[in-house]
Amino acid sequence: GAVVSQHPSRVICKSGTSVKIECRSLDFQATTMFWYRQFPKQSLMLMATSNEGSKATYEQGVEKDKFLINHASLTLSTLTVTSAHPEDSSFYICSAQAGSNQPQHFGDGTRLSIL
Amino acid sequence: QKEVEQDPGPLSVPEGAIVSLNCTYSNSAFQYFMWYRQYSRKGPELLMYTYSSGNKEDGRFTAQVDKSSKYISLFIRDSQPSDSATYLCAMSISGGYQKVTFGTGTKLQVIP
Repeated sequence: GAVVSQHPSRVICKSGTSVKIECRSLDFQATTMFWYRQFPKQSLMLMATSNEGSKATYEQGVEKDKFLINHASLTLSTLTVTSAHPEDSSFYICSAQAGSNQPQHFGDGTRLSIL
Repeated sequence: QKEVEQDPGPLSVPEGAIVSLNCTYSNSAFQYFMWYRQYSRKGPELLMYTYSSGNKEDGRFTAQVDKSSKYISLFIRDSQPSDSATYLCAMSISGGYQKVTFGTGTKLQVIP
């Protein structure tokens, strides 16, 4: 149980392109989903917390106009990297929580490379 | 000082060894403690989830929490090459939708 699917797993695109990443909880409803960024040999850096039906809460230093998050249903959240540039290249990982006092379950991540 | 400290390793052990992975933390308000396993180019996979102090066992894995020392451990018995991965500790002040603080991860290599 507690399967989180993230798509696509790998994206390579040109600078200036917008990229959408989907995160789905397959076998449970997730009121809250989280988006992280992970740099090589570093820990997970929380970007934003997404609650179904409401605006995402962004961590300090994360540009909300750059990283658009939509959580339209209890099983789907999307992250759109707008006008991506090479410095946005990273490993993006989503997670989902089934309810209060439950741990986060992670997707397999999306490796984004901006040329 | 980081809120959560974790030795990055790498830690190399022979197959069959008992592995001990540890994290220390500074925030005494942490009450929920987790261990995740992350294979290369994959998302973290939840291994253990514990509340407050004490031990929890699941197969070859045992998690220990010592809140008085602000120290948590993960033990892996009879380690296998398939256990080779990065192990992340994580903790939060409360359950629910609270921010989770992660360690940087310890890279483990189990040598056949």
